Amino acid sequence: DAGITQSPRHKVTETGTPVTLRCHQTENHRYMYWYRQDPGHGLRLIHYSYGVKDTDKGEVSDGYSVSRSKTEDFLLTLESATSSQTSVYFCAIKTGPDYGYTFGSGTRLTVV
Amino acid sequence: KQEVTQIPAALSVPEGENLVLNCSFTDSAIYNLQWFRQDPGKGLTSLLLIQSSQREQTSGRLNASLDKSSGRSTLYIAASQPGDSATYLCARVEGGSEKLVFGKGTKLTVNP
Repeated sequence: DAGITQSPRHKVTETGTPVTLRCHQTENHRYMYWYRQDPGHGLRLIHYSYGVKDTDKGEVSDGYSVSRSKTEDFLLTLESATSSQTSVYFCAIKTGPDYGYTFGSGTRLTVV
Repeated sequence: KQEVTQIPAALSVPEGENLVLNCSFTDSAIYNLQWFRQDPGKGLTSLLLIQSSQREQTSGRLNASLDKSSGRSTLYIAASQPGDSATYLCARVEGGSEKLVFGKGTKLTVNP
């Protein structure tokens, strides 16, 4: 989507390895979010940020950490990947009260 | 826990039919509500955003309504086309945290 990019788009990693996903926005939006999407569960919030160095947990935050050292970048780290973290990860930004939320194209992560 | 429910989970209709997708939420103190479309293997595309002070929004063949008193939103699609086939997701915004809480979606198939 315009203004928000996720990298990588696809990744296969081994159980126990650390993994970092990146979300980058080209604008200056305050709120950024990480969601995971799984069959039967829908989209669930992992972590979100409301400013540089300001982050908070979502409903499925165990096993994940985040960092936001710059407005434009929001990083999601799996400290030690497990097979249960195989999922599609989406980043989102709140673009304003009149425009709502914009999502990235997603990162498909497979933990083997 | 505030929840968002979408019924039905799947819907199949012939081309040209008008249809309604339903979304209900448990907390009537809603902030905003947003409808998204997701094509298989793709990200989320924003369709309509209804702010809490509004009752409906329209875009082309789409009309979304919001009834806070009953805890319901509907997405009306007029003259459905095969290209409308996708999963439709509704999400409510939690005031303060600005988090999106999603329903599990309605998978729509429009048959030629």
